[in-house]
Amino acid sequence: SAVISQKPSRDICQRGTSLTIQCQVDSQVTMMFWYRQQPGQSLTLIATANQGSEATYESGFVIDKFPISRPNLTFSTLTVSNMSPEDSSIYLCSVEWDGGQFFGPGTRLTVL
Amino acid sequence: QKEVEQDPGPLSVPEGAIVSLNCTYSNSAFQYFMWYRQYSRKGPELLMYTYSSGNKEDGRFTAQVDKSSKYISLFIRDSQPSDSATYLCASQMDSSYKLIFGSGTRLLVRP
Repeated sequence: SAVISQKPSRDICQRGTSLTIQCQVDSQVTMMFWYRQQPGQSLTLIATANQGSEATYESGFVIDKFPISRPNLTFSTLTVSNMSPEDSSIYLCSVEWDGGQFFGPGTRLTVL
Repeated sequence: QKEVEQDPGPLSVPEGAIVSLNCTYSNSAFQYFMWYRQYSRKGPELLMYTYSSGNKEDGRFTAQVDKSSKYISLFIRDSQPSDSATYLCASQMDSSYKLIFGSGTRLLVRP
């Protein structure tokens, strides 16, 4: 499977600020995804990021709040903008690889 | 109604027991079914991946899908304390990369 890393692994932020999360894959992949896992809840897809095109957002998620970059086939960033305590969650990137989706270790975000 | 339902547990079993984890889903368009294992403070790890109905076995793990009843199962034989984790089922349509997850079942295997 592809090896995926994320930075930072965790952060504590003040409301109103923004945080950019990085996702790095050890192989070139076409499809990358960003999910959110809120405490006690299931993973929810935020957006799909393909290299060379605009990210596709799921219902309830907008580009102004969660801008995404995908500059090449091994890297993506997700920014959580103008944060509020409701954004406290685990953010995970995943990649489509060999017919399955594989996840990074996640970024644990706490907003005060 | 959630598209994928899963009992949150926790499910506590003695070491060596056979574990049965289950999910139900509501969307008949789902064709792919996965099981992920997630240890505390880690990302989900893909365990099993099946297409349509039937069984798939991998070592101590067996995944079973019954599309007629919209029921997904994961069986773990000879369970070990290292199997203690949260198990997530997920479903996917043929036409989409989007995974729809259950909320996860927490499993504890007691030594």
